[in-house]
Amino acid sequence: AQSVTQLGSHVSVSEGALVLLRCNYSSSVPPYLFWYVQYPNQGLQLLLKYTSAATLVKGINGFEAEFKKSETSFHLTKPSAHMSDAAEYFCAVSDPRKAAGNKLTFGGGTRVLVKP
Amino acid sequence: EAQVTQNPRYLITVTGKKLTVTCSQNMNHEYMSWYRQDPGLGLRQIYYSMNVEVTDKGDVPEGYKVSRKEKRNFPLILESPSPNQTSLYFCASSHLSGLAVPRDTQYFGPGTRLTVL
Repeated sequence: AQSVTQLGSHVSVSEGALVLLRCNYSSSVPPYLFWYVQYPNQGLQLLLKYTSAATLVKGINGFEAEFKKSETSFHLTKPSAHMSDAAEYFCAVSDPRKAAGNKLTFGGGTRVLVKP
Repeated sequence: EAQVTQNPRYLITVTGKKLTVTCSQNMNHEYMSWYRQDPGLGLRQIYYSMNVEVTDKGDVPEGYKVSRKEKRNFPLILESPSPNQTSLYFCASSHLSGLAVPRDTQYFGPGTRLTVL
């Protein structure tokens, strides 16, 4: 079984400061990993994904994440926070085995507040 | 425009009154799925479908039904809703492996907020 843990349900950062959102996963097979963002009253939008290619993955809106197998982590970072980054962020893991379809297992989410 | 649509967006109902939440995608995706989102729990999969007439249970299927009679539509049915089904529901779709778009890029609908009194 797969699981995802996001450390910190709420994160507050100042505008211009580093954004760091932590994600650790558990998987019995090499996983695919994702970060999604949810803006208020909207659906989920894919930020970036890791599917066993480069371990440093760049996504939209200046975000990037690094897959570290030894640490079973996939932390999300952005060097300089903007007010528009205020949203909820979800880390997810996918079982790449065909029988599982495209099921995503999500972490509990981290809500980001950006202070001016 | 490629999109996943859900209707209704908001629904307040009473215990036991059957309801259906519709989901439709215009991307010719094989895979469709329903999730519910609850605070602190993230999104949990309810049911999924790998293609027409092929559906299977996710992690929290109790109290829900689905059908996949057409490729584009994947309605979620609550035969007898209960208050513990009050939640935010998302439909998602994607291609499966072997096709033009890499699998696992799931596209999500805007969500349906359901309140069961």
